[in-house]
Amino acid sequence: KQEVTQIPAALSVPEGENLVLNCSFTDSAIYNLQWFRQDPGKGLTSLLLIQSSQREQTSGRLNASLDKSSGRSTLYIAASQPGDSATYLCAVNTDKLIFGTGTRLQVFP
Amino acid sequence: GAVVSQHPSRVICKSGTSVKIECRSLDFQATTMFWYRQFPKQSLMLMATSNEGSKATYEQGVEKDKFLINHASLTLSTLTVTSAHPEDSSFYICSASRTGGGELFFGEGSRLTVL
Repeated sequence: KQEVTQIPAALSVPEGENLVLNCSFTDSAIYNLQWFRQDPGKGLTSLLLIQSSQREQTSGRLNASLDKSSGRSTLYIAASQPGDSATYLCAVNTDKLIFGTGTRLQVFP
Repeated sequence: GAVVSQHPSRVICKSGTSVKIECRSLDFQATTMFWYRQFPKQSLMLMATSNEGSKATYEQGVEKDKFLINHASLTLSTLTVTSAHPEDSSFYICSASRTGGGELFFGEGSRLTVL
């Protein structure tokens, strides 16, 4: 059974710091891995999608890496801003999407 | 990017009534849609996989007679919560993809409150 875990569960940092959010999964047989952002009471916004054959994807200040053999992905946020405050979810896609437990990020001015 | 729309975004109902939530893919056809539920401060949990023209596949622990899913067309799936109770109060989100194994696009979510 696929299990997805995210560390840390919560993170509070001052503006400007570079951040690393971690995601681990137990079964490496995945199609892809997606990182999402969720604002309180809102739906999900897709940030980055990494196919199983890829090692990393970048979008603006975000960079996500994937090491399928070790069951790990990291989301790197450069020069964090208060607007980055949200819950970040990773999800692995097998024949269905399995979500991690999420990391609640707060960036204060 | 592809757009998935959910309606209603918020609904309040009395215990014992039924509520229908719609999920539409606005600019693409989705043979498969997924329904998730999220309780406060918890992650999303997959409830069921909805396939166009066939019966939905439910995850373990999800009552299929309580959560009726209909995927009548390639752009619309509906989730009906029958005989709703306060414990069914939750945030329900649907998602869809153009092809199997591809990127999933999510609706805005529907917050159900059962009084």
